Amino acid sequence: DTAVSQTPKYLVTQMGNDKSIKCEQNLGHDTMYWYKQDSKKFLKIMFSYNNKELIINETVPNRFSPKSPDKAHLNLHINSLELGDSAVYFCASSHPERGTEAFFGQGTRLTVV
Amino acid sequence: AQSVAQPEDQVNVAEGNPLTVKCTYSVSGNPYLFWYVQYPNRGLQFLLKYITGDNLVKGSYGFEAEFNKSQTSFHLKKPSALVSDSALYFCAVRDGRNDYKLSFGAGTTVTVRA
Repeated sequence: DTAVSQTPKYLVTQMGNDKSIKCEQNLGHDTMYWYKQDSKKFLKIMFSYNNKELIINETVPNRFSPKSPDKAHLNLHINSLELGDSAVYFCASSHPERGTEAFFGQGTRLTVV
Repeated sequence: AQSVAQPEDQVNVAEGNPLTVKCTYSVSGNPYLFWYVQYPNRGLQFLLKYITGDNLVKGSYGFEAEFNKSQTSFHLKKPSALVSDSALYFCAVRDGRNDYKLSFGAGTTVTVRA
């Protein structure tokens, strides 16, 4: 069973479109994250949710809107896609209060053309 | 605010030689420290962590790391590197138990030559 799964794995779309990436974890963790990995492989946290509540929003443009329908899911919707949004997006989950490490999904490679 | 520094962009070693990947951190509270590895076109795989206890932490694939509070460092080590250890390595830190932000260093590319 995949611990953290995100779909789709690849996403190619045109500028101006709206797209969503889905993430699900079956680890029973309370906290979920979205990270962006740019072309230089730098990993930057975008959002952190704990028990469906937004905890961290790292100055991400409001075109990016995360939604957590329940503790096991954290989806990322992106409006009006721009060329600079091209990156690999990783979902992760953990249980910080228990000192657990974060488990990462396999990533979604978004290419905006 | 917490931060992590990986001072070396690249580390090159010969197979069978010791491997060290450096990491220093800055937090205001107690550091929770992690190492991850990323192979090409893959997600991040957890290697090891320091939360509390012994300063020397052992992890997956023969890796270990030493927590040094006075030097605020958490260097990753492997006594004898393998070609298959060639990958991108990330150090990460949380600022204590109730911190929901896991911050990553810039990554170090390790190349092990046969």
